Amino acid sequence: SAVISQKPSRDICQRGTSLTIQCQVDSQVTMMFWYRQQPGQSLTLIATANQGSEATYESGFVIDKFPISRPNLTFSTLTVSNMSPEDSSIYLCSVVAGNYYEQYFGPGTRLTVT
Amino acid sequence: AQSVAQPEDQVNVAEGNPLTVKCTYSVSGNPYLFWYVQYPNRGLQFLLKYITGDNLVKGSYGFEAEFNKSQTSFHLKKPSALVSDSALYFCAVRDRTNAGKSTFGDGTTLTVKP
Repeated sequence: SAVISQKPSRDICQRGTSLTIQCQVDSQVTMMFWYRQQPGQSLTLIATANQGSEATYESGFVIDKFPISRPNLTFSTLTVSNMSPEDSSIYLCSVVAGNYYEQYFGPGTRLTVT
Repeated sequence: AQSVAQPEDQVNVAEGNPLTVKCTYSVSGNPYLFWYVQYPNRGLQFLLKYITGDNLVKGSYGFEAEFNKSQTSFHLKKPSALVSDSALYFCAVRDRTNAGKSTFGDGTTLTVKP
């Protein structure tokens, strides 16, 4: 298994600003993902961030809006740039751990853009 | 391509009754299958997985799931529901030949009434 922490746990931001979310894992993992989730709704994958390579973005998400860093096997950041109210959501970090690719999730960052 | 369908947005059961949360999947090869649970205001937790072998797999909190290859289903079950089982449940699939990510269903909200 893996234990994941995220910072901040929540934030309220002004339109047009940027927020960087940090994800720290208690063990070394290769595969890491960033998701977005409206409360009580489904998960939307933003990007896959593997250490040593550029992040791979899903359709509808671009690097200029959601730049990701993955400097080592235990840490990653997601930046939400030039925020608008539509970016208000819960952002989740997730890693693949275990023998058969089950995923573990961080507690989430609840972002509100005003 | 891989996909997951959870045909019920909401499942309601009475405490003490058996519960079933349905999931069907589509993959080009053989699947890894997973269930995750998200309790209110908490992060997503891995619940159980099917890799190979016995079609009935057991997981945390008394949950089990039955893999049915001919029906391409992986329904989550519990013999006797508890009020504390009320949560959002996600089914996920990953093709064994896919070096990338799992695909998640849209989620099913389970409500157990006393």
